[in-house]
Amino acid sequence: DIQLTQSPSFLSASVGDRVTITCRASQGISSYLAWYQQKPGKAPKLLIYAASTLQSGVPSRFSGSGSGTEFTLTISSLQPEDFATYYCQQLNSYPFTFGPGTKVDIK
Amino acid sequence: QVQLVESGGGVVQPGRSLRLSCAASGFTFSSYGMHWVRQAPGKGLEWVAVISYDGSNKYYADSVKGRFTISRDNSKNTLYLQMNSLRAEDTAVYYCAKGRRMGGAEDAFDIWGQGTMVTVSS
Repeated sequence: DIQLTQSPSFLSASVGDRVTITCRASQGISSYLAWYQQKPGKAPKLLIYAASTLQSGVPSRFSGSGSGTEFTLTISSLQPEDFATYYCQQLNSYPFTFGPGTKVDIK
Repeated sequence: QVQLVESGGGVVQPGRSLRLSCAASGFTFSSYGMHWVRQAPGKGLEWVAVISYDGSNKYYADSVKGRFTISRDNSKNTLYLQMNSLRAEDTAVYYCAKGRRMGGAEDAFDIWGQGTMVTVSS
């Protein structure tokens, strides 16, 4: 199975900050990586697919990059509604594993 | 609008069974692969199972293989998860999710249900 790690696991930031989250895969997954945002008590929401394609309706302050084994999610200017937990997911091969998550909290 | 609504969760004793349902609306259900994902209390997301658009292909996480069965009824726009031999570690919110792409390889889950809680406890 392909394992995903995320760093950091926790991030404290202020409104307006630029935030970067890294996701690393245990083996190459081409660009089969998605990013999700989850708020407490809610279902995950798709942000990015194919490593760098913004899902329709998602603000342009979110961006993704990378391929192979290293990927990043960047929020260019953190907004109050962005405080949440972020997960990466690989869809290169079954089982479609998720990363452990990165919680973005208010500083 | 595009929507997935799960039902069937509840409290069940270890070793017993439960069947979850996921009713789809607002899109051509029969054209998309569908997934179950779960989240134990306070934990991260765990992919559970997938079924292809026509039901011909199914894959499972090792943690549920042989105990859980995914199925679908395209005439009813409904996805199912039959869970047998339940264990305490199966306690979680169970989400159904729609594959983003119609045909071809999956690249994301674009629509998620609100989730249904399953608690396995004596």
